[in-house]
Amino acid sequence: DAGITQSPRHKVTETGTPVTLRCHQTENHRYMYWYRQDPGHGLRLIHYSYGVKDTDKGEVSDGYSVSRSKTEDFLLTLESATSSQTSVYFCAIRVAAYEQYFGPGTRLTVT
Amino acid sequence: AQKITQTQPGMFVQEKEAVTLDCTYDTSDPSYGLFWYKQPSSGEMIFLIYQGSYDQQNATEGRYSLNFQKARKSANLVISASQLGDSAMYFCAMRENRNQGAQKLVFGQGTRLTINP
Repeated sequence: DAGITQSPRHKVTETGTPVTLRCHQTENHRYMYWYRQDPGHGLRLIHYSYGVKDTDKGEVSDGYSVSRSKTEDFLLTLESATSSQTSVYFCAIRVAAYEQYFGPGTRLTVT
Repeated sequence: AQKITQTQPGMFVQEKEAVTLDCTYDTSDPSYGLFWYKQPSSGEMIFLIYQGSYDQQNATEGRYSLNFQKARKSANLVISASQLGDSAMYFCAMRENRNQGAQKLVFGQGTRLTINP
């Protein structure tokens, strides 16, 4: 158990509303990631963090922002949710030289 | 850019048989790593096995082994003696180096494996 949790686990929201997803880890790992999973695409990287206040964009970052004010929390924000952001969101942490462990996922539906 | 290709959308196998899930990759980096993850119907992503590009031997973890053929750029997952609990989606992934030592994973589209009793 890599000690990673996500909240909420499920959320339904309306188009145009802001949404924040939280990823929490208990083991002080430096690297954290946000991915989204859509049918036919596998998982794709949204943003990642390599330390407190240090973040960078992934391949599908448009419409998303992130923040990491402390080691254990990595927040993903949809400033104004759109239907194309309906997806399953996974947080991941790097726990060894190469291994990434994933959180349980958040299923987000934008109506 | 790195790319992972999984050409088998779905596979059906009889229980206790061995199964091979195909994965080919493309990269220009001399140093890379390949992963396999399992995603059961419950949705979590479970790490199975890792192979580094400089590893001399194929990786093994219990019933899982990775058939790494560098010249062919393939990294197939072999599951021996399949079990009903192996029914799941399987993803091949490659690590791509990013800023400050961060590593992005590039995923294939996945193969849905169904084990029949």
